[in-house]
Amino acid sequence: SQTIHQWPATLVQPVGSPLSLECTVEGTSNPNLYWYRQAAGRGLQLLFYSVGIGQISSEVPQNLSASRPQDRQFILSSKKLLLSDSGFYLCAWSDSGSVQTQYFGPGTRLLVL
Amino acid sequence: AQSVTQPDIHITVSEGASLELRCNYSYGATPYLFWYVQSPGQGLQLLLKYFSGDTLVQGIKGFEAEFKRSQSSFNLRKPSVHWSDAAEYFCAVGASQTGGFKTIFGAGTRLFVKA
Repeated sequence: SQTIHQWPATLVQPVGSPLSLECTVEGTSNPNLYWYRQAAGRGLQLLFYSVGIGQISSEVPQNLSASRPQDRQFILSSKKLLLSDSGFYLCAWSDSGSVQTQYFGPGTRLLVL
Repeated sequence: AQSVTQPDIHITVSEGASLELRCNYSYGATPYLFWYVQSPGQGLQLLLKYFSGDTLVQGIKGFEAEFKRSQSSFNLRKPSVHWSDAAEYFCAVGASQTGGFKTIFGAGTRLFVKA
């Protein structure tokens, strides 16, 4: 069966520091991968998605970037964090078929101080 | 363009009472519909999905949802709510488009369960 991992689970970072959040998927090949942000009490905002290694699509302009160095690894990064980057970050995967059900990881809580 | 509306930001029900969470969608063709649940501090868990066929879909944890094309709705129901059902529930609609499959999530409905 497929599993999706995210780490760290919780992160507290000062403003201006760099960020690297990692997501890995097991038990599947060539998945589509997604990064979402969920601000407190808000819905899901799609940040990035990837249909293959090195292929990244950005949904909203922002302070963050994403990379996919391996088939089942998706990394969310920032060079300099802003206060507004605080939130709950969710990684998800789906298969690459014509109808795609997304499955979510446990999330990373980021607090920027 | 696709859109999803969950009209209720939050709902409170008594334990043992029935539950219905509303979801309305906008899409020109037959959509693919999903319900997810999110417990505090956790990721989203898929409850059920509708792609085609029987419009009444059974999911995990005793939930079901009914697709009503005439009302553009996909409401989630449970006959008897348990305290552990307190969580946030997200409806989502997906569709195949030029450029790939796209999923849109509603803003969520937070469920409170009172003893």
